[in-house]
Amino acid sequence: DAGVTQSPTHLIKTRGQQVTLRCSPKSGHDTVSWYQQALGQGPQFIFQYYEEEERQRGNFPDRFSGHQFPNYSSELNVNALLLGDSALYLCASSLLDSYTEAFFGQGTRLTVV
Amino acid sequence: DAKTTQPTSMDCAEGRAANLPCNHSTISGNEYVYWYRQIHSQGPQYIIHGLKNNETNEMASLIITEDRKSSTLILPHATLRDTAVYYCIVRPEINNNDMRFGAGTRLTVKP
Repeated sequence: DAGVTQSPTHLIKTRGQQVTLRCSPKSGHDTVSWYQQALGQGPQFIFQYYEEEERQRGNFPDRFSGHQFPNYSSELNVNALLLGDSALYLCASSLLDSYTEAFFGQGTRLTVV
Repeated sequence: DAKTTQPTSMDCAEGRAANLPCNHSTISGNEYVYWYRQIHSQGPQYIIHGLKNNETNEMASLIITEDRKSSTLILPHATLRDTAVYYCIVRPEINNNDMRFGAGTRLTVKP
């Protein structure tokens, strides 16, 4: 049973560009959450998707947007990249309204130059 | 903002018990204490969670004080592979909320 998979693993983009990161949840999970982790800090919640809708959102600007597909996979899009967007982006999947723990992917390391 | 306070770093000798403290003085009645750890360059990994009773699984033990304002994660026989950042999080048990991570405790297990 594959866990949470994210792609790509590493990415380098130029300031001002747009980026799309992808996440496939653990089999059986229906909810995907995205986190941003800057170097030396804990993960910060960006947003959560369930049934193709954004359920919750953290304190991130509208440049950060997402999507969830019918197969529960998800994308994170970031527009007009800033140098400060350089971070590890983590995807976590879970089963809504359940008692099971959330599972994290290995992350995508985004570097903005 | 995270609702927990943890020491920035701790060291532990290999083979000894590692005791990681966490303060959560504003915890609500329906909130559980969760522990995750993050080994370098990997995603966080679930360890254990509890409400008010002590919990134990194959990875660790969780001791929660009677007033629930603090807890301790215990790794009974730390190995070098336990070197990681450990995060203490409080949240409702049901998976319909985001997790608020703090900076965590960097545990270094030394030979």
